[in-house]
Amino acid sequence: QKEVEQNSGPLSVPEGAIASLNCTYSDRGSQSFFWYRQYSGKSPELIMFIYSNGDKEDGRFTAQLNKASQYVSLLIRDSQPSDSATYLCAVNMFRTGNQFYFGTGTSLTVIP
Amino acid sequence: EADIYQTPRYLVIGTGKKITLECSQTMGHDKMYWYQQDPGMELHLIHYSYGVNSTEKGDLSSESTVSRIRTEHFPLTLESARPSHTSQYLCASKASIGAGGGDEQYFGPGTRLTVT
Repeated sequence: QKEVEQNSGPLSVPEGAIASLNCTYSDRGSQSFFWYRQYSGKSPELIMFIYSNGDKEDGRFTAQLNKASQYVSLLIRDSQPSDSATYLCAVNMFRTGNQFYFGTGTSLTVIP
Repeated sequence: EADIYQTPRYLVIGTGKKITLECSQTMGHDKMYWYQQDPGMELHLIHYSYGVNSTEKGDLSSESTVSRIRTEHFPLTLESARPSHTSQYLCASKASIGAGGGDEQYFGPGTRLTVT
């Protein structure tokens, strides 16, 4: 079992729709959770982080965290073609001395 | 947003050569990391450092070494490059919690290495 697992893609949504990306993690003691966007051939870019249960909104992006279910998600509202990228979920694993573990990523395509 | 730099951005080199990939950050971050990422694959942690003179190996053994003599500088050295080392190498840094920053890592632009 991988430390961080993301829903398999690729995911395609029409422009203006809501894209939903999901992630589960193995370490119940983890405290910090991150979403990165990675365009092809580029390095990951931080778009959201969340530390507490519940929702955190930043513009068109909403991160949701449920520590009891060991689940974190990212919602992108009013999806734009420029949102087309691979989205990486990352977790700061408490039990491994605060090392970051990344999921394999979910590829999102927003269709104009 | 952190300012983190990597050089070279692209490198093509022959088997057996020794190479050093440079990484520098100007944010005063204590913690720095090296990751390896193949196309379409997840990031694998190679090395990390929690401060000057502190280095640790990550999950992926890539026959490389690192040093942390200065806070801002974290170079990665491959003593003898092999075709299996062909990959993208990403450097990242983050501040210690409570040191004016959160827990998030920021990435440099990456070095794409090809070993022929």
